[in-house]
Amino acid sequence: EIVLTQSPATLSLSPGERATLSCGASQSVSSSYLAWYQQKPGLAPRLLIYDASSRATGIPDRFSGSGSGTDFTLTISRLEPEDFAVYYCQQYGSSSLTFGGGTKVEIK
Amino acid sequence: QVQLQESGPGLVKPSQTLSLTCTVSGGSISSGDYYWSWIRQPPGKGLEWIGYIYYSGSTYYNPSLKSRVTISVDTSKNQFSLKLSSVTAADTAVYYCARGGLQLPFDYWGQGTLVTVSS
Repeated sequence: EIVLTQSPATLSLSPGERATLSCGASQSVSSSYLAWYQQKPGLAPRLLIYDASSRATGIPDRFSGSGSGTDFTLTISRLEPEDFAVYYCQQYGSSSLTFGGGTKVEIK
Repeated sequence: QVQLQESGPGLVKPSQTLSLTCTVSGGSISSGDYYWSWIRQPPGKGLEWIGYIYYSGSTYYNPSLKSRVTISVDTSKNQFSLKLSSVTAADTAVYYCARGGLQLPFDYWGQGTLVTVSS
């Protein structure tokens, strides 16, 4: 199974700042089948990015994804107050699907 | 708009079988375009994929849970279900159903249901 490692575990930033979240895979992710989700307390995760760099429906363009192979990045260009949450990466290219451990973006 | 809703007991005794159902509305499981998955999240922890099913009934499970998991589908009711046997306190989690699977992201999720394993 592909192990996904997210870093950092916690990111402390102020509104308006740029956030860069990383997701490393233990082996190459097939066809860049890599997604990013946002989760707020008490709610289900929400799909932000799929296929490594495509924004899901209704997702603001301040969210962008990049990467291929084993290294992927989620960038939030300017943090809005509603962006403070936990973010997970997930690969869906192999039959055994896996999630990363998550990055918490908190208000500094 | 596709909607998913989990239902089932919120409390299960140790060693018993956890059973949940996901009802899909706004879209047909039988369309064949998607997989349908179960995912769980222990309190304060990350997400763990449990398994997925196709409308035909073909399944794939997380290897770490495979010996205890059964996912089934009832296309006539537009539902799919999860059974997890021999549960322990470690199976206490919020259980989500979602649309997605192999080569497809999880684009629609249920609201989740907390299942507690306790005597």
